[in-house]
Amino acid sequence: EIVLTQSPGTLSLSPGERATLSCRASQSVSSSYLAWYQQKPGQAPRLLIYDASSRATGIPDRFSGSGSGTDFTLTIRRLEPEDFAVYYCQHYATSPWTFGQGTKVEIK
Amino acid sequence: EVQLVESGGGLVQPGGSLRLSCAASGFTFSSYWMSWVRQAPGKGLEWVANIKQDGSEKYYVDSVKGRFTISRDNAKNSEYLQMNSLRVEDTAVYYCARGDYSKRRPFDYWGQGTLVTVSS
Repeated sequence: EIVLTQSPGTLSLSPGERATLSCRASQSVSSSYLAWYQQKPGQAPRLLIYDASSRATGIPDRFSGSGSGTDFTLTIRRLEPEDFAVYYCQHYATSPWTFGQGTKVEIK
Repeated sequence: EVQLVESGGGLVQPGGSLRLSCAASGFTFSSYWMSWVRQAPGKGLEWVANIKQDGSEKYYVDSVKGRFTISRDNAKNSEYLQMNSLRVEDTAVYYCARGDYSKRRPFDYWGQGTLVTVSS
């Protein structure tokens, strides 16, 4: 099983700042089968990034993903008020598909 | 518009059973793998089970093997999760999600979730 570790646990930033979230895998994620999701309180997760760097339909270009192998990054270029939420990474390379524990981006 | 609507959650005693349903619309249901993902209160996400388009392949997270059964009815555009021998640690919001295991596509659509509470 691939274990995903996200850091930091909480990121305190102001609107307009840049957010950098990390996801590290316990073994290489083949073909960069890694996704990022955003979840707001009381809502279902929303797919942001797939295949490590491709934006899902309708996702603003301030969201970008990068990385390969065991190290992946989600960058939010300039935080908008609606971006404060919890973000999860997830791999879909092998069974079982697993998620990271999440990074909360909160307003400073 | 793709929609996934879960139902069937509720309060059940430890050792009890519950059947969750997910009604899909807005896409060709029979062409997609489907999954269940859960989230315990205040915790992260955990994939629970998935099922192939024709139901011929099913996979489960180890913690539910032998207790939960995933199924689908393509004529009704629905998937199900039969949960038996429920434990307190199964308490969670259960989401129905579309994701393709064989084509390696992530969960691109999710339902709103249904809460299962296991408590005496």
